[in-house]
Amino acid sequence: DGGITQSPKYLFRKEGQNVTLSCEQNLNHDAMYWYRQDPGQGLRLIYYSQIVNDFQKGDIAEGYSVSREKKESFPLTVTSAQKNPTAFYLCASSWQGSTEAFFGQGTRLTVV
Amino acid sequence: DQQVKQNSPSLSVQEGRISILNCDYTNSMFDYFLWYKKYPAEGPTFLISISSIKDKNEDGRFTVFLNKSAKHLSLHIVPSQPGDSAVYFCAASVWEGGSEKLVFGKGTKLTVNP
Repeated sequence: DGGITQSPKYLFRKEGQNVTLSCEQNLNHDAMYWYRQDPGQGLRLIYYSQIVNDFQKGDIAEGYSVSREKKESFPLTVTSAQKNPTAFYLCASSWQGSTEAFFGQGTRLTVV
Repeated sequence: DQQVKQNSPSLSVQEGRISILNCDYTNSMFDYFLWYKKYPAEGPTFLISISSIKDKNEDGRFTVFLNKSAKHLSLHIVPSQPGDSAVYFCAASVWEGGSEKLVFGKGTKLTVNP
């Protein structure tokens, strides 16, 4: 089955700790994205990557870091510098030049 | 500066009736518009899209209308079904910085009552 897998679905971390969210896709998509959703807010773009070993900051990149060492994987690290890390995080992917993005199931991160 | 606006946070309709979800945008460079449907604790799923060169696209019970002069698009669901109850996100696509980016609205929660 082709698709995008985010893991884990729920994640709890203590304040001050870095945490890495996993995103894997087997759709052979070139582009991958990370969004954050907060109550009452739309999906806000954190980082995106069009090709392996290259990525760009989105609208709210501060406090986050990413890597794109493989085409299939685009992990997101929420660092201790992120002031409000508790949120629902969504990973997406698409073919290069396509306007339609396919989303994973999301990871609900709670920092206590 | 919100480029894609969904001004109604929620909408409630009766089963069988029409649901109309609205979306306004400010950036005239948007070249493609999409609607996504999202259930709680799940990722959004693509529903329907429309190119900026068209004014209507229909897929079964779902129709999207685009009014470029008013920078407005709407999603019509006819007839509405209880399973349509979800949050609907409007999104617009723009070519920026050498790549295509999606800009999302805040979403409208649709409730279809039996």
